[in-house]
Amino acid sequence: KAGVTQTPRYLIKTRGQQVTLSCSPISGHRSVSWYQQTPGQGLQFLFEYFSETQRNKGNFPGRFSGRQFSNSRSEMNVSTLELGDSALYLCASSPDYAYEQYFGPGTRLTVT
Amino acid sequence: GESVGLHLPTLSVQEGDNSIINCAYSNSASDYFIWYKQESGKGPQFIIDIRSNMDKRQGQRVTVLLNKTVKHLSLQIAATQPGDSAVYFCAETDNNNDMRFGAGTRLTVKP
Repeated sequence: KAGVTQTPRYLIKTRGQQVTLSCSPISGHRSVSWYQQTPGQGLQFLFEYFSETQRNKGNFPGRFSGRQFSNSRSEMNVSTLELGDSALYLCASSPDYAYEQYFGPGTRLTVT
Repeated sequence: GESVGLHLPTLSVQEGDNSIINCAYSNSASDYFIWYKQESGKGPQFIIDIRSNMDKRQGQRVTVLLNKTVKHLSLQIAATQPGDSAVYFCAETDNNNDMRFGAGTRLTVKP
């Protein structure tokens, strides 16, 4: 079974731009969660989607948004990028939320 | 606010020894706990999980212990190998489904 894939793997953007990251979950997994990982804050939960609906949301500003498609693939968008948005963005999929999550390799976003 | 934290940021052990990584949590409503391993340049990898109705669960060379009384979680790795060197995270969630991660412990295995 193929693992979780994320594209792109690396991205460089400038302040004020927006970015869209993509995640393809493991086949059959309906829950997709997004996390931000930084050296200073560690792993922080962004949001979770299940069957195209956002079920849970972490404590991030409205500039961070996401969506899930009918095939469970998910995208997250960050608008008006700030330097502090530089981070590794991780996507994880699971059959449902409170089950073991399988992480993708992440997208390394650098904002200059 | 509620938080998940780790007692030690780094742990160094000799190859072949057992490792114990600890985690404290403060949310008494947490009912599902996971340990992840993250190697450099990779996403976290699931190691083992435990639900709040259990106090011990064993996997291959790993054991997770849950003490709900003191809100403490530990990961024991038997016969630690160089390939076990990584950062280990605990995570917990409750019915609010907000998955929270600890800061991580870096395990270094000396040959």
